[in-house]
Amino acid sequence: DGGITQSPKYLFRKEGQNVTLSCEQNLNHDAMYWYRQDPGQGLRLIYYSQIVNDFQKGDIAEGYSVSREKKESFPLTVTSAQKNPTAFYLCASRETGTNQPQHFGDGTRLSIL
Amino acid sequence: SQQGEEDPQALSIQEGENATMNCSYKTSINNLQWYRQNSGRGLVHLILIRSNEREKHSGRLRVTLDTSKKSSSLLITASRAADTASYFCATGSGGSNYKLTFGKGTLLTVNP
Repeated sequence: DGGITQSPKYLFRKEGQNVTLSCEQNLNHDAMYWYRQDPGQGLRLIYYSQIVNDFQKGDIAEGYSVSREKKESFPLTVTSAQKNPTAFYLCASRETGTNQPQHFGDGTRLSIL
Repeated sequence: SQQGEEDPQALSIQEGENATMNCSYKTSINNLQWYRQNSGRGLVHLILIRSNEREKHSGRLRVTLDTSKKSSSLLITASRAADTASYFCATGSGGSNYKLTFGKGTLLTVNP
């Protein structure tokens, strides 16, 4: 079955630590996205990538970094510079073309120890 | 920045009733999409309506789009307890730099 896999499902970060969230897709989609969701809120865009080896900052990129070395993979690093990292992180992908929906993984919940 | 704003923030109905959620947005769009999120899960795409379309149906879902008022509505007919979830509208724009902007969602509770 094609889909998006996010891991781990739960992640804990210590002060001053960088952590990396994994996102893998086997849908052969060019575009991939990372969102942050806080309780009772909508999704805010962190970073997105339209093609391999290229990515753009979203609305809340500070304290985060990404890479896109392979089409299937778009890992997100939450750095120690992100002072309020506790949130639900969602990865998505979509086919090229304006009127294509996004497909989402089941998220990673990040908490501070 | 949040472009879409859903109304109401929460809606509680009985099984069998219809549920209507509204979404307003501020700038020009390529399309408007509705997504559903069950608690603790990812979002599931429900329906996409293009900016040149006025109404679209999918099963028990009916979406309307009024670009002159910059608003959309999602109607779920004959609701079921399994429809209990958060519903988000998202506006797509940007051409070659295309991205979605999500609203804060409507929490729908369908009571059996």
